[in-house]
Amino acid sequence: DSGVTQTPKHLITATGQRVTLRCSPRSGDLSVYWYQQSLDQGLQFLIQYYNGEERAKGNILERFSAQQFPDLHSELNLSSLELGDSALYFCASGRGSYNEQFFGPGTRLTVL
Amino acid sequence: KNEVEQSPQNLTAQEGEFITINCSYSVGISALHWLQQHPGGGIVSLFMLSSGKKKHGRLIATINIQEKHSSLHITASHPRDSAVYICAVRSGRGSQGNLIFGKGTKLSVKP
Repeated sequence: DSGVTQTPKHLITATGQRVTLRCSPRSGDLSVYWYQQSLDQGLQFLIQYYNGEERAKGNILERFSAQQFPDLHSELNLSSLELGDSALYFCASGRGSYNEQFFGPGTRLTVL
Repeated sequence: KNEVEQSPQNLTAQEGEFITINCSYSVGISALHWLQQHPGGGIVSLFMLSSGKKKHGRLIATINIQEKHSSLHITASHPRDSAVYICAVRSGRGSQGNLIFGKGTKLSVKP
C-alpha cells in the first residue's frame, strides 16, 4: 500500500459525458502527478501540482483539467469524453518535485 | 525515436535465473526511476537513482550517466517477479518533476 488513494476504482461512462477522478496523496506529500496509461501510448504524464499550484503540464488535452485543493487532494476532470480516452489514470504523490513518486492504484475509465 | 528505450520488450526466464533489463535515454536527466507494474495494474516504485548503484533485496539498479544507460538486475528470479518493469526518467530541464516513460519490459518467470 503506497498510501496514495484514488477513487473510483472503475468508471464506465458514455461518449460526451464528463467524469471526475479523485486522488488523495500520502500524508506530508505536497506534489501530485496525474498520468494516463493507454494500450497504444503507454504511460504519459498529464499534469503536476505542487502545494495547490500547477507546476508542470504534459500531454494533457484541453478537454481535461485538474486542480489541487487546500487539503492537498487533487481532482482530474475529463469532459466531452471520447472512446480514445479509455485508459488507466494514475495519480502519484511525492514530497517535492525531486523526490520518489508513490503511485495510487489507478482508476480504470471505460468510455462506451 | 522515443526518448526512453527499454530492452528487451518481453523476457521469459526460468526460476532462479539472473535477469537484466536495460534502459537507454537520450535526454539530460536529473534522476531515473525503475517501476514495477503487476498484472492487476498497480505500480510500485522500485528505485530512484541519479548515479552509481542501488540494491534492495534481490534487485540491483545501476546507472551510467555518461553513457545514458541504466540496468535493472534481478538475482535468483522467482515467479512472483513476473510483472512489467518500466524505466522512467526525470528530465533535467526546469524544476518540474514529471517523468518520461519507457514502454516497459514484460517479464515472465516460469517455475
